[in-house]
Amino acid sequence: DGGITQSPKYLFRKEGQNVTLSCEQNLNHDAMYWYRQDPGQGLRLIYYSQIVNDFQKGDIAEGYSVSREKKESFPLTVTSAQKNPTAFYLCASSRRQDIVEAFFGQGTRLTVV
Amino acid sequence: GQQLNQSPQSMFIQEGEDVSMNCTSSSIFNTWLWYKQDPGEGPVLLIALYKAGELTSNGRLTAQFGITRKDSFLNISASIPSDVGIYFCAGPTGNQFYFGTGTSLTVIP
Repeated sequence: DGGITQSPKYLFRKEGQNVTLSCEQNLNHDAMYWYRQDPGQGLRLIYYSQIVNDFQKGDIAEGYSVSREKKESFPLTVTSAQKNPTAFYLCASSRRQDIVEAFFGQGTRLTVV
Repeated sequence: GQQLNQSPQSMFIQEGEDVSMNCTSSSIFNTWLWYKQDPGEGPVLLIALYKAGELTSNGRLTAQFGITRKDSFLNISASIPSDVGIYFCAGPTGNQFYFGTGTSLTVIP
């Protein structure tokens, strides 16, 4: 089945450690996105990528990094510079031309202790 | 970044009641999307609207694309317990999607 897969579902890390969240899609979509969701809040854009080897900062990119070496994959690294990393992270993808609909993965809940 | 204003922020309703929520923006959108998010899961696309004035249904859900292109409405008829969740509106523009602040729906059996 086509879709977006995020892994792991739950992730625990010690403060000061970098951690990488995985996002893979087999929808043949060019564009991929990372969002952060805090309790009771909407979605805030961290990074997005329209094509391989290119990505742009979103509204809250500080303390995060991404790569887009393959069309199918858009991993997000939460670095130790991110001051409040505990959150629910969502990956999404869409067609690039005439983007109309975004499809989401099931999310990764990151808890930093 | 731009945010869409959704209202109400939360709703508590009895099973069987109808639900209405709306989303407004200061900017024009050419597409409006409505998503539902279950607790601990990613949002799932419910309805997509592509034309001003368009009215689209998906089962008990009906959504409308406002004539001004600055708003959209979602109605749920005869609510059931599994309708519980957070409903988000969204609009693509440029290279990004902008999302509403969400309406949290609780259905009381």
